[in-house]
Amino acid sequence: NFLLTQPHSVSESPGKTVTISCTRSSGIIASNYVQWYQQRPGSSPTTVIYEDNQRPSGVPDRFSGSIDSSSNSASLTISGLKTEDEADYYCQSSDTNTAVFGGGTHLTVL
Amino acid sequence: EVQLLESGGDLVQPGGSLRLSCAASRFTFSNYAMSWVRQAPEKGLEWVSSIGGRGGDTYYADSVKGRFIISRDNSKNMLYLQMNSLRVEDSAVYFCARRWVLDYWGQGTPVTVSS
Repeated sequence: NFLLTQPHSVSESPGKTVTISCTRSSGIIASNYVQWYQQRPGSSPTTVIYEDNQRPSGVPDRFSGSIDSSSNSASLTISGLKTEDEADYYCQSSDTNTAVFGGGTHLTVL
Repeated sequence: EVQLLESGGDLVQPGGSLRLSCAASRFTFSNYAMSWVRQAPEKGLEWVSSIGGRGGDTYYADSVKGRFIISRDNSKNMLYLQMNSLRVEDSAVYFCARRWVLDYWGQGTPVTVSS
């Protein structure tokens, strides 16, 4: 199995742009889709990006996902930050018959 | 919109058993793989198990393999997780989610394993 490593926390000001990284320890990041989930305190996770860069309906286009093969990582970028974006964000991917989550990144918007 | 509603969470002693259920609605249930994910208190998300749309293919995390059984009843639009030989470290909120990409999640059901 592989690991997905995320920064423990990030912070940025409202209106700015933040990028959260997710680095795969072994295997090729592009070989399996990467998803990103947002979890606000006391709530269940919701999907903000699936299949690397696809946004579910209802997710604003301020959220975008990408893959960087050179660093074997995925990234979630949130532009025009709002205070409501403050949450935990998890990346996730799958390998043969298993799914793996990153440890989560707490985003503070202040 | 897709709805997933978990139930069955409870307080159980170590070594005990519990069955979780997830009622699915507003989509063609049999067309989709389904998954269980858990979250221990103040911890991150952990994939537990997934099952194919027809129920024939099942997959488990190493931490639960041999103790948990995932199943589904497509005639009832229901997903289940039978949890046996429960350990303290199985205490968590258990979420059901649609597909391996987990595009929709339920609200979760809490399981506490304690004596």
